[in-house]
Amino acid sequence: RKEVEQDPGPFNVPEGATVAFNCTYSNSASQSFFWYRQDCRKEPKLLMSVYSSGNEDGRFTAQLNRASQYISLLIRDSKLSDSATYLCVVNRGSSNTGKLIFGQGTTLQVKP
Amino acid sequence: DAGVIQSPRHEVTEMGQEVTLRCKPISGHNSLFWYRQTMMRGLELLIYFNNNVPIDDSGMPEDRFSAKMPNASFSTLKIQPSEPRDSAVYFCALRDHYTGELFFGEGSRLTVL
Repeated sequence: RKEVEQDPGPFNVPEGATVAFNCTYSNSASQSFFWYRQDCRKEPKLLMSVYSSGNEDGRFTAQLNRASQYISLLIRDSKLSDSATYLCVVNRGSSNTGKLIFGQGTTLQVKP
Repeated sequence: DAGVIQSPRHEVTEMGQEVTLRCKPISGHNSLFWYRQTMMRGLELLIYFNNNVPIDDSGMPEDRFSAKMPNASFSTLKIQPSEPRDSAVYFCALRDHYTGELFFGEGSRLTVL
């Protein structure tokens, strides 16, 4: 079993739709969590960190459920430019010294 | 931003040849990561360094792979001898000491024939 698991998709949604991705992690010692975005043939870039209390950044909302060991990302009013692969990242260890493990990614395709 | 320069951007080589991938951080950091990405396996952590010291190399596939970080401004990932299954995009990334954010280089795309 992989340490960080995501549904690879693809998720095909129309513009304006709301879409949610989940990610599960197996190591309960994990301490910090992130969502990264990767465009085709580009490097991954940070989308947002995930805080215990949940956090929102514009149309994007991230949630963490430590008891169930899953992280979610909600995208509201999706845009064509949101089409990308979304990578769940788990830090096994402290925020500036631990090991960062990536999920395989969930592909989103937003259609006109 | 922590800048990361990787070279070469693309390399095509034949099975059995030695491959050396380079990573040059432009600005300060304390952790450097090497990842490999393929369609089948996604982003796999190969090795990471804290303060130039290798901390965890459990992701290095086998003895054919080695990584060094002789100083804070340079790291190499070497494959010797290379095999077709090593074909992938290899990313170097730096972690921001304060935010934990990873900044990736543009990657080195390796094809082993």
